[in-house]
Amino acid sequence: DTGVSQNPRHKITKRGQNVTFRCDPISEHNRLYWYRQTLGQGPEFLTYFQNEAQLEKSRLLSDRFSAERPKGSFSTLEIQRTEQGDSAMYLCASSENTGNYYEQYFGPGTRLTVT
Amino acid sequence: AQKVTQAQTEISVVEKEDVTLDCVYETRDTTYYLFWYKQPPSGELVFLIRRNSFDEQNEISGRYSWNFQKSTSSFNFTITASQVVDSAVYFCALSEYTGGFKTIFGAGTRLFVKA
Repeated sequence: DTGVSQNPRHKITKRGQNVTFRCDPISEHNRLYWYRQTLGQGPEFLTYFQNEAQLEKSRLLSDRFSAERPKGSFSTLEIQRTEQGDSAMYLCASSENTGNYYEQYFGPGTRLTVT
Repeated sequence: AQKVTQAQTEISVVEKEDVTLDCVYETRDTTYYLFWYKQPPSGELVFLIRRNSFDEQNEISGRYSWNFQKSTSSFNFTITASQVVDSAVYFCALSEYTGGFKTIFGAGTRLFVKA
């Protein structure tokens, strides 16, 4: 297994721009999760997918945020009209759908800075 | 609602001292999982341990040990003979069956180990 990968690792953008992040889960994992971590805080749940179905969205995920997993493999998280408050680390995790489905493997994260 | 509380924001110890990181959780589920993660300065979350709600056996792994007590809803983590390399932020986390196993993290405890 190559682990969960995320791209880009760092993104600096100006306020008002749109950004898109990508997550590639471990290949046989059906479940995929997005979290956001701000400085000095623990990661906060944003949304999760089982295959291509988005099963839950946190109220933290405003209308400017959208996540997709079109073929049940990689996922993208898009933020439109970025605000300075969006500056954070965005973490992706994946897990199996059977067996050890409670055990999530985290990627290295994408650090977003909105100037 | 589910919640994880890590009351200690920062702890500072001298190398070779023992240190215990506290974690208290709230859940209505009978099936849930508890985790500890380490986040070193590099930023990537490192999985340390998982316990399920049906297994209250304490566990020891090298210098690490964990004390799970359902009666007090606590899952404390002890590092014995701390080392400078243990300096990091440590997160306690909870996943519930009914929540699709999204993970709820505590705010973290920053541990400084001085030489």
